[in-house]
Amino acid sequence: AQSVTQLGSHVSVSEGALVLLRCNYSSSVPPYLFWYVQYPNQGLQLLLKYTTGATLVKGINGFEAEFKKSETSFHLTKPSAHMSDAAEYFCAVTSNSGGYQKVTFGIGTKLQVIP
Amino acid sequence: EPEVTQTPSHQVTQMGQEVILHCVPISNHLYFYWYRQILGQKVEFLVSFYNNEISEKSEIFDDQFSVERPDGSNFTLKIRSTKLEDSAMYFCASSAERGETQYFGPGTRLLVL
Repeated sequence: AQSVTQLGSHVSVSEGALVLLRCNYSSSVPPYLFWYVQYPNQGLQLLLKYTTGATLVKGINGFEAEFKKSETSFHLTKPSAHMSDAAEYFCAVTSNSGGYQKVTFGIGTKLQVIP
Repeated sequence: EPEVTQTPSHQVTQMGQEVILHCVPISNHLYFYWYRQILGQKVEFLVSFYNNEISEKSEIFDDQFSVERPDGSNFTLKIRSTKLEDSAMYFCASSAERGETQYFGPGTRLLVL
């Protein structure tokens, strides 16, 4: 079985401040991990993903995430928030137990950026 | 950049009616998926489809649901007799291969009255 927990359904940061969105996963086999972003009235857009190899992955719009197996975490960070980063962010996991077909999503974290 | 498209963007229907949601996956992709998101809840996997058959489905995907790839470009989700609890945003996705990134469409918001 696989699952994702996102801590904090709402996060507010000031423009220019560090963005940290937390994600912990559970998987009985090695996971693939993803962060998706959803802007209002739009679909889910892939920010970044981890499959194998380097544990620090860089994505679009200056975001990055680090896979920490010992902590079962995949937190999303960005050094300096921009107003355009305001959106909902979803952490997700898939694994070979689902044939890499079923992606399990977290509840989502709404990021508010304060001017 | 290629993208997944979905129509309609909004659909309102009466309970008990059949609805068909339409998706055009990215053209060279082989795997197709449907997910749904009930308001305020998680995005949930419904079904995956490959080589003209269902390859994986969740417990949500019961006999009321069916999927079809009627031609070389479209991928549809049919709900035979809608219930109030089917009201949700339905997302279509596609991937080039199993395990590759799933690219999502903008969603169809279904409201069952």
